[in-house]
Amino acid sequence: DTAVSQTPKYLVTQMGNDKSIKCEQNLGHDTMYWYKQDSKKFLKIMFSYNNKELIINETVPNRFSPKSPDKAHLNLHINSLELGDSAVYFCASSQVSRGEAFFGQGTRLTVV
Amino acid sequence: TQLLEQSPQFLSIQEGENLTVYCNSSSVFSSLQWYRQEPGEGPVLLVTVVTGGEVKKLKRLTFQFGDARKDSSLHITADKKDNTGIYLCAGDTSGSRLTFGEGTQLTVNP
Repeated sequence: DTAVSQTPKYLVTQMGNDKSIKCEQNLGHDTMYWYKQDSKKFLKIMFSYNNKELIINETVPNRFSPKSPDKAHLNLHINSLELGDSAVYFCASSQVSRGEAFFGQGTRLTVV
Repeated sequence: TQLLEQSPQFLSIQEGENLTVYCNSSSVFSSLQWYRQEPGEGPVLLVTVVTGGEVKKLKRLTFQFGDARKDSSLHITADKKDNTGIYLCAGDTSGSRLTFGEGTQLTVNP
């Protein structure tokens, strides 16, 4: 039974398109995150939600909009995709905002 | 911005060799975590160190937290191919976030 699941695993799309990545956790955690891992494998936080409330919004273009319909879900919508958005996006959750993070398998986004 | 610097960034060794990965910062952390990420997967927590000077062992992995809680090291003895992956340290900072280091990509050759 997967703890943190995100879909899709792979996403190839053209520049200018709008796409969404979904994430669900069944661990009962209060906090969820989106991270971006670039080609150099550097993992950088994008957003953090605690009980559906946005608590961290790093310097991310406003083309990226997270949505948390409930504390078990945190989706990421990206408008007007650009080549530089190509990366692996990871969803994660933790019991407290600074506790152990459980990661999903990642979504490899390729913008062509 | 609190930064964590990891070194080396890339490491390729033979099975049976020992290695040490370092994680350094100018900031003090209340705790520090080490994760391993295998190809095509998300990072998985290996250990959390909390007390300055703390040493934790996990099979052939030895983790140490610096006395001043600004740095940490991961030492692997007699490494095996199944340890290939990316090792990430992450510091518990103020502001409700984990700050990750740049990662060390380890390749263990047979």
